[in-house]
Amino acid sequence: EDQVTQSPEALRLQEGESSSLNCSYTVSGLRGLFWYRQDPGKGPEFLFTLYSAGEEKEKERLKATLTKKESFLHITAPKPEDSATYLCAFTPPGGGNKLTFGTGTQLKVEL
Amino acid sequence: NAGVTQTPKFQVLKTGQSMTLQCAQDMNHEYMSWYRQDPGMGLRLIHYSVGAGITDQGEVPNGYNVSRSTTEDFPLRLLLAAPSQTSVYFCASRDRDDSPLHFGNGTRLTVT
Repeated sequence: EDQVTQSPEALRLQEGESSSLNCSYTVSGLRGLFWYRQDPGKGPEFLFTLYSAGEEKEKERLKATLTKKESFLHITAPKPEDSATYLCAFTPPGGGNKLTFGTGTQLKVEL
Repeated sequence: NAGVTQTPKFQVLKTGQSMTLQCAQDMNHEYMSWYRQDPGMGLRLIHYSVGAGITDQGEVPNGYNVSRSTTEDFPLRLLLAAPSQTSVYFCASRDRDDSPLHFGNGTRLTVT
């Protein structure tokens, strides 16, 4: 069964302390790997799509990378406003509407 | 720029009652879907639609019905509410099957 696992479940950082979140997947030939940010009481907000191994995308302090087995979300010099739950998801081979989500990493950035 | 709009934001039901969660999108997306989010379980797909008049089951469809009479609207019906349906429900849409989903802000449902 196609699966996605995110780690760590929770992460506490000091402001300016860079780190990475991991998303491991078992599906082969995925048609897209997505990163979302979710704030409390809100729906997930799209951040990045990665389609092939070696691809990288950047936005402000965030950079997403993709290998054949996992994706990383690198957070450089985080600020308190980066605190949120970060979700990854993938579209399996054959596509369709069945996006499979991980359970997320809850990030808290403290002053 | 409304995107995906869900109503209501909060709802409390008694066991056995029925209700409809509303979802509308103004992006002319063909794909729409309903997810539920529970602590420690991640987002799980309930039902989805690839266009008006076409719906299909997701991972956890039991106890829920959907219909898609227009491109814009995709309501989710709970027929006989049960405490196990206490959850946060998200509607989402996308314009093709490898593009990102756009989510609404959810409906928090409590069944007592």
